[in-house]
Amino acid sequence: AQSVTQLDSQVPVFEEAPVELRCNYSSSVSVYLFWYVQYPNQGLQLLLKYLSGSTLVKGINGFEAEFNKSQTSFHLRKPSVHISDTAEYFCAVRAGSNTGKLIFGQGTTLQVKP
Amino acid sequence: GAVVSQHPSWVICKSGTSVKIECRSLDFQATTMFWYRQFPKQSLMLMATSNEGSKATYEQGVEKDKFLINHASLTLSTLTVTSAHPEDSSFYICSARDAGTNTGELFFGEGSRLTVL
Repeated sequence: AQSVTQLDSQVPVFEEAPVELRCNYSSSVSVYLFWYVQYPNQGLQLLLKYLSGSTLVKGINGFEAEFNKSQTSFHLRKPSVHISDTAEYFCAVRAGSNTGKLIFGQGTTLQVKP
Repeated sequence: GAVVSQHPSWVICKSGTSVKIECRSLDFQATTMFWYRQFPKQSLMLMATSNEGSKATYEQGVEKDKFLINHASLTLSTLTVTSAHPEDSSFYICSARDAGTNTGELFFGEGSRLTVL
């Protein structure tokens, strides 16, 4: 079975500062990894995904993440955040099968302060 | 990109009534859809996997008679909360995978907020 742990429930940061949201996963099989963003009372929007290939993945809104197999991590980073980045961020893992079932982490609230 | 639409976006009902939530893939076919439940300030909990033309697969602890799922076509899955009670109040989100691609990405609906009085 797969599981995902997001180590920080809340991350406060000032505008234009860099940020890293941490995500660790466990799985006995190969995985696909995702980061989603959720704004209040809305569904989820895909930020980026790792399926295979390059371990550094670039996504929308200036976000990127690096897949580290040895550390079983998939941390999300942005070099300079904006107020509009304030939202809930979810890391998710899908087993390397074709079921498509995603398992989500607990979520991290990114609070960008002016 | 692919669009998944949920309806209604919010609903208020009396205790004991049933509520149906629809999930539609607007520009792609989805043989599989997923229903999630999200409590305030919490993560998404997978409730069930909806398969077109067959019975849904429920996660452990989810009452299949309480949460009826029907996936009658390649673009529509419905979740019916039967005999709703206040503890069923939650944010329900569906997602779908494009059957025509293998990108691994799931597309999410906007969510439906259910409040049971």
